[in-house]
Amino acid sequence: GQQVQQSPASLVLQEGENAELQCNFSTSLNSMQWFYQRPEGSLVSLFYNPSGTKQSGRLTSTTVIKERRSSLHISSSQITDSGTYLCAMEQGGRALIFGTGTTVSVSP
Amino acid sequence: EAAVTQSPRNKVTVTGGNVTLSCRQTNSHNYMYWYRQDTGHGLRLIHYSYGAGNLQIGDVPDGYKATRTTQEDFFLLLELASPSQTSLYFCASSARTGRAETLYFGSGTRLTVL
Repeated sequence: GQQVQQSPASLVLQEGENAELQCNFSTSLNSMQWFYQRPEGSLVSLFYNPSGTKQSGRLTSTTVIKERRSSLHISSSQITDSGTYLCAMEQGGRALIFGTGTTVSVSP
Repeated sequence: EAAVTQSPRNKVTVTGGNVTLSCRQTNSHNYMYWYRQDTGHGLRLIHYSYGAGNLQIGDVPDGYKATRTTQEDFFLLLELASPSQTSLYFCASSARTGRAETLYFGSGTRLTVL
């Protein structure tokens, strides 16, 4: 089964709304990361967040490793936030294992 | 900012065809990876390498070979392409210093196998 579960699978927002994306892991992990995939396909790293809360602009990531979960909060969404948000786990030195992503669509 | 360049951007081949996808990174990262991305599956690891001449098996290696010829260059080879290998392929690199591993991705190669 899928080791990294993301929810919801998709999300439609009106510009200015907030959103919370969830990531749950079925196995123990050392750390996790969030990535953003632009609509045209390119991928960029958002957060390396092994535990606690990190903020970058309007994005906030909160990870509770012992509960095997992480969330990504988008505040005051903008059209440019549209795209797919992927979480990934690091487990024992292996390469990252990715979830299937949450596709966010922000309309005016 | 690390640079990872993939080529070609798009490729169409026929079943049974031979395909080589290329990846070059210019920041002397140790680790390089090949992922495929399909709807409903997210990014899945095919092969990765921690240096020239090294190859590690990923989670979905069947039908793929890979070779790391230099620190900079990592190739993915499909010797008998099948329609199930139609996908979006990403190459990535990382320095893997300590526990923090930031991946830098290429722009992707869209492969269609007819």
